[in-house]
Amino acid sequence: DVKVTQSSRYLVKRTGEKVFLECVQDMDHENMFWYRQDPGLGLRLIYFSYDVKMKEKGDIPEGYSVSREKKERFSLILESASTNQTSMYLCASSLPGGNYEQYFGPGTRLTVT
Amino acid sequence: KNQVEQSPQSLIILEGKNCTLQCNYTVSPFSNLRWYKQDTGRGPVSLTIMTFSENTKSNGRYTATLDADTKQSSLHITASQLSDSASYICVVSGGPGEYGNKLVFGAGTILRVKS
Repeated sequence: DVKVTQSSRYLVKRTGEKVFLECVQDMDHENMFWYRQDPGLGLRLIYFSYDVKMKEKGDIPEGYSVSREKKERFSLILESASTNQTSMYLCASSLPGGNYEQYFGPGTRLTVT
Repeated sequence: KNQVEQSPQSLIILEGKNCTLQCNYTVSPFSNLRWYKQDTGRGPVSLTIMTFSENTKSNGRYTATLDADTKQSSLHITASQLSDSASYICVVSGGPGEYGNKLVFGAGTILRVKS
């Protein structure tokens, strides 16, 4: 059974803080993704990684960076958190290729005050 | 522009009743269409995935249909249960991209089942 876990379910940070969100998957998936989800909008892709140390920008990468030092772990970094980054952040993983299922973690609800 | 639009935005039905959720898309090229269920505070979980050649697929009380000509899909829920209360997200896979197909997400339909 695929399991994707995220380090925190809820997080409250102050404006300007550096924030780390961590995601771990246990299915040896090559692909990992970070999305944000806001009310009334579909999930939007921030970054994805198709291999260790490899990353590609998604649709909304501004204000974010990522790190993938190990295959099972993909971190999202907010260098200087801002209030407009208050959102639900979802991590997902999948096998390589286009038709494989993406498995999602439970999400981290981040509030920046 | 690649878009996925879902309707209605929200829906309230009585337990035991059926309902149908709609999804229209303009994603091209098209690879597959997925329906996800997202419980409050949880990540999305896949219900069905359909390729171009499939026009219906079932998963228990959930039946998805696809009309690739009109670029429309629907998700029909039969004999609803309280546990069906969730957001239902339509996702269209376009592409191909270099590392896999790009997914375009709808905003979701929030379903509430009342007793």
